[in-house]
Amino acid sequence: NAGVTQTPKFRVLKTGQSMTLLCAQDMNHEYMYWYRQDPGMGLRLIHYSVGEGTTAKGEVPDGYNVSRLKKQNFLLGLESAAPSQTSVYFCASSPDRAIPSSYNEQFFGPGTRLTVL
Amino acid sequence: GQNIDQPTEMTATEGAIVQINCTYQTSGFNGLFWYQQHAGEAPTFLSYNVLDGLEEKGRFSSFLSRSKGYSYLLLKELQMKDSASYLCAVPTGFQKLVFGTGTRLLVSP
Repeated sequence: NAGVTQTPKFRVLKTGQSMTLLCAQDMNHEYMYWYRQDPGMGLRLIHYSVGEGTTAKGEVPDGYNVSRLKKQNFLLGLESAAPSQTSVYFCASSPDRAIPSSYNEQFFGPGTRLTVL
Repeated sequence: GQNIDQPTEMTATEGAIVQINCTYQTSGFNGLFWYQQHAGEAPTFLSYNVLDGLEEKGRFSSFLSRSKGYSYLLLKELQMKDSASYLCAVPTGFQKLVFGTGTRLLVSP
């Protein structure tokens, strides 16, 4: 049981280049999320998905696109990278909330360190 | 909207007790999470509180007061490995998390 995995672990891009970050989870979770983490700003939600074929915008979606073609995978795309997108990107997943009084924690992947020059 | 505040940094000595505070303002309340994040690693779940009071889990305890919009994480018998950032977060719709900026804890010998 690998949990949540992310590829690649590190990447350096030049301004204007494009790339896709892949997140995969083997826990059969319905919900998946992409966050970015910057010094002094904490984790901020970029996009999320509540099930296969669905996506929605989070707090900071500009410059990013996502797709959830398969339940276990959640892809984050940068069409034209900018230096402001230099960050650590975390993917997370959680099961659907089945019982109203219970909770479902998010499980995080190891992160992708992206530098845009 | 949601607003979460926690101290930026704290220092403590090995073997001591430290309390990390978190205050929040939310439109609707569905509990509060604490996560631990070691440098260069992913956040990992520590605790969840939805009712007032103290929840104890080994050396770590978490407290919640919904009327005051206040929570704290209590770490006892500090160890060097407890040096990490501690993130306070509140869930919104579809269990999206809104995080505070995190408290970096440095434990010294």
